[in-house]
Amino acid sequence: QQKVQQSPESLSVPEGGMASFNCTSSDRNFQYFWWYRQHSGEGPKALMSIFSDGDKKEGRFTAHLNKASLHVSLHIRDSQPSDSALYFCAASEQRTQVVGQLTFGSGTRLQVYA
Amino acid sequence: AQTIHQWPVAEIKAVGSPLSLGCTIKGKSSPNLYWYWQATGGTLQQLFYSITVGQVESVVQLNLSASRPKDDQFILSTEKLLLSHSGFYLCAWSWTGGTYEQYFGPGTRLTVL
Repeated sequence: QQKVQQSPESLSVPEGGMASFNCTSSDRNFQYFWWYRQHSGEGPKALMSIFSDGDKKEGRFTAHLNKASLHVSLHIRDSQPSDSALYFCAASEQRTQVVGQLTFGSGTRLQVYA
Repeated sequence: AQTIHQWPVAEIKAVGSPLSLGCTIKGKSSPNLYWYWQATGGTLQQLFYSITVGQVESVVQLNLSASRPKDDQFILSTEKLLLSHSGFYLCAWSWTGGTYEQYFGPGTRLTVL
């Protein structure tokens, strides 16, 4: 079983709409979470990190973490065609954070249509 | 500004042949370095990490090896390729003094036939 599970597998939203991604960990050692985005043929790029319970907002992106349920989500408001990409949740443990050991989820493919 | 370069951009290799992929980071001293493997459209699997020259830790066993001969260089290699080695190989770096964000290179597409 994957330690970091994402849903849905794919998502299609209209331009200007809200895109929402979910991520659940099965390992209570995971305390630090990241969202990465990967456009086709490129390397992933970090969108944001979230290490504390609650919401974190950066521009059109909002992440939410609930450590008790090991659930993290990402919401993109006012979605643009350029947001079409593969979105990954990634997690690390406190003890391995410093060396950068990351476990990635399976990813959610977002398609934003005009 | 930091730049990360991977070579080659793409490779087509025969099963059983050797492989060497490279990664160079410029503009950052003593970074943590990482190798990842990604099946087409799939998740990213961290393969190796290195926090200093000459030291490399393996995360998963995939009949691959890695070396860090210089502070800014990371090499991924194998003596004998398998079909299952096909995929997208990504090098990344992070800085322990920062937020631990990992910065990825453009990747190398490997096809094993």
